[in-house]
Amino acid sequence: AQSVAQPEDQVNVAEGNPLTVKCTYSVSGNPYLFWYVQYPNRGLQFLLKYITGDNLVKGSYGFEAEFNKSQTSFHLKKPSALVSDSALYFCAVREPTGSQGNLIFGKGTKLSVKP
Amino acid sequence: DAMVIQNPRYQVTQFGKPVTLSCSQTLNHNVMYWYQQKSSQAPKLLFHYYDKDFNNEADTPDNFQSRRPNTSFCFLDIRSPGLGDAAMYLCATSAGKGEAYEQYFGPGTRLTVT
Repeated sequence: AQSVAQPEDQVNVAEGNPLTVKCTYSVSGNPYLFWYVQYPNRGLQFLLKYITGDNLVKGSYGFEAEFNKSQTSFHLKKPSALVSDSALYFCAVREPTGSQGNLIFGKGTKLSVKP
Repeated sequence: DAMVIQNPRYQVTQFGKPVTLSCSQTLNHNVMYWYQQKSSQAPKLLFHYYDKDFNNEADTPDNFQSRRPNTSFCFLDIRSPGLGDAAMYLCATSAGKGEAYEQYFGPGTRLTVT
């Protein structure tokens, strides 16, 4: 069965410092991985996805994620954090073709960026 | 801009009083989803439509129903809301069911049950 784990409930970063939000996955077959961000009282916004190709995926708002097959990880990164990046971040994996193709979300990581 | 719209943004209903939440999309996507999200938790899929094909998650209570009269609109009906149904309800769309398709979410409707 597909699953993702986000080991940190909260990540605290100072503005201007690099940030990393961790995600590990467990899939049968090729992984299809996604990152979403949720601001307070809002829906989820798509940030980026890994389907195939380059291990470093670039997304919206300066975020990027590195796919590491040997470590089964897909960590979200940003070189310089902004206070406005403070939000809830969800990693997700898509069920494989032949099933319902649903998104399976991690439990979320709250990112707090302090000035 | 193409988007997913949810109305209302905030809904208050009484215990046991039926309520309907609505979702519309201008993306012309085939797939529409309804999720329930409780405070600071991951969204939980309730059901989805692939075109007119309805797919209910095994653990979705019978109290929750859905309708999709056309491509653009999808409704979530809660027949007899309980206090435990208070949550954010998120609608999402996807161009297809394949693994590569991302989902686009609406802003959500926050349901309060009094």
